[in-house]
Formats: sequence, structure tokens, C-alpha cells
Amino acid sequence: KAGVTQTPRYLIKTRGQQVTLSCSPISGHRSVSWYQQTPGQGLQFLFEYFSETQRNKGNFPGRFSGRQFSNSRSEMNVSTLELGDSALYLCASSLDVDRTQYFGPGTRLTVT
Amino acid sequence: QKEVEQNSGPLSVPEGAIASLNCTYSDRGSQSFFWYRQYSGKSPELIMFIYSNGDKEDGRFTAQLNKASQYVSLLIRDSQPSDSATYLCAVAYNNNDMRFGAGTRLTVKP
Repeated sequence: KAGVTQTPRYLIKTRGQQVTLSCSPISGHRSVSWYQQTPGQGLQFLFEYFSETQRNKGNFPGRFSGRQFSNSRSEMNVSTLELGDSALYLCASSLDVDRTQYFGPGTRLTVT
Repeated sequence: QKEVEQNSGPLSVPEGAIASLNCTYSDRGSQSFFWYRQYSGKSPELIMFIYSNGDKEDGRFTAQLNKASQYVSLLIRDSQPSDSATYLCAVAYNNNDMRFGAGTRLTVKP
């Protein structure tokens, strides 16, 4: 069974730009969660989607948004990028959010 | 506020020793508890999960859960240098919410 895939793996953007990251979950998994990971803050929960509905949202500004498609693939978007948005963005899929989450390799975003 | 607390470490143990990693959580409604391992530059990978009070063993790993004390721990027996990583505790809550601790960095010295 193929694992969670994320694209792109690496991204360099400048301040003020926007970015869209993609996540394809494990086949059959309907829950997709997004996390931001930085050395100082650890793993911070962004949001979780299940069957195209956002069920939970972390404490991030409205510049961070996401969506999920009918095939469970998910995208997250960050608008008006700031230097502090530089991080590893991880996507995790599971049968449901309280079940084991399987992580993708992450997208390393650098904002200059 | 749903909090998951871990000692950030670093925790250093000699090869062959037992490493003990601890995690406390704030919400008594928590249902499921997970331990993930993350090597530097890699994404987290599941070690084990536990739902019920008591101990759960898997090879060299033992997870211990005490819901009354809101405490979950991970013991690694016969620690190996390859166990050197950051260990993340995760707690799933009733309302479809999963939160991670900041992680404990473990170093196993040969």
C-alpha cells in the first residue's frame, strides 16, 4: 500500500507570496491532518479534514487555509507569506483522527 | 485548553540501559495515546499506541498509561544508538482532535 505523499518536497518563496501544498493520503483514509513543525515550536496542529469537511482547526491566522477533495486528497494554502512561516509542513492521514496517523515526508518551505 | 507536556530533554542514556520518556495531558476526555519517533530530518513514525490503563509491550518498547494521573510513558529497554531520536507523545480527544507534545530528544551513547 502506498504511503502518504506530499508535493512539493521543497519550496522557496518570498515574503508576500502565496503557496499551495498538496497531500495524497493512504488509500481508504478519509482523515487528513496538517501540522507545522519548527525547531522552536515543535509540531503545531493546523487543521483536520474528514470527508471534505474541516472538523478542527488549530490556533493559526486566517492566512492558513485548506481543503479536501472527494478523493480525500488535501491542499493547504498560505497567503501573504511571512518569514516566520518557514517550516516543515507535515500531512498525516488516518482512518479517523483518533486512529493511528501516518505521516508524509513533509514539505520544507523557506520564505526569504 | 488541551495540553500535552513532555520534557524536552535532551535525555542521555548509555547503550543497553532503559530509557524512560514521560508525557502528561490535561484533558480527562482523552481516549487514545500514541508514541511517535522522529529522526532528524525525517517525518514522525508510529512506535505504538495504547487505549487502556496499564502496560502494553511491543518488543523492546513498553507504553504505560495511567488515566487517573493523566500520565503516559514509554520505556525503551536495551537502548541502542539507533534509538537516538525525538520521541513525540500524541493524545486523541473525544471531539476528533489530536494533539502532539513538543517531543523529548533521546541520545543513546555507545
